[in-house]
Amino acid sequence: AQKITQTQPGMFVQEKEAVTLDCTYDTSDPSYGLFWYKQPSSGEMIFLIYQGSYDQQNATEGRYSLNFQKARKSANLVISASQLGDSAMYFCAMREGSTDKLIFGTGTRLQVFP
Amino acid sequence: EAQVTQNPRYLITVTGKKLTVTCSQNMNHEYMSWYRQDPGLGLRQIYYSMNVEVTDKGDVPEGYKVSRKEKRNFPLILESPSPNQTSLYFCASSFNGLNTEAFFGQGTRLTVV
Repeated sequence: AQKITQTQPGMFVQEKEAVTLDCTYDTSDPSYGLFWYKQPSSGEMIFLIYQGSYDQQNATEGRYSLNFQKARKSANLVISASQLGDSAMYFCAMREGSTDKLIFGTGTRLQVFP
Repeated sequence: EAQVTQNPRYLITVTGKKLTVTCSQNMNHEYMSWYRQDPGLGLRQIYYSMNVEVTDKGDVPEGYKVSRKEKRNFPLILESPSPNQTSLYFCASSFNGLNTEAFFGQGTRLTVV
């Protein structure tokens, strides 16, 4: 069955440092997409980055990169040069090709301190 | 402006009183879905719809109903709300397909007393 696991309920990082948020997934579908979303304290959901199962290279979007390890079924989000505004909840999500259903993990709360 | 609009943003109601949370998108998306967010549980899918008149249960459908009579609208109906349905609800929409990001509404915070 389709499943997303985020094992870190909370993470702390100092400003300007890099941080990795973990995400593992489980699916038997060879075709799938992986997403990361940010939810600041104001509550809205903000799309950050996407990785397709057939993509050869890791996705990058500005300070965000996705460390995609297909054999390990992991899709970790790396935030470089953390900023105070990065403090938020982060969700990993997956969409399977066979169902198009989009499911989410339980999230990781990131706190960036000066 | 491309957006997903949910109403109301906040709602306090009593047990058993039927309510509807509306969701509308202006991007001509085929896919729409409802999630509830609870502390420690992340976003759990309630129902989703691949297109008009096509709906399917998500992971936590009990106590909820949906309909998709028009492409742009996907209301969530609680026929007889109970306190365990107190939660933050999100509507989302996207085009069908693997690589399409979902756009979210602003959320509806529901309290059932």
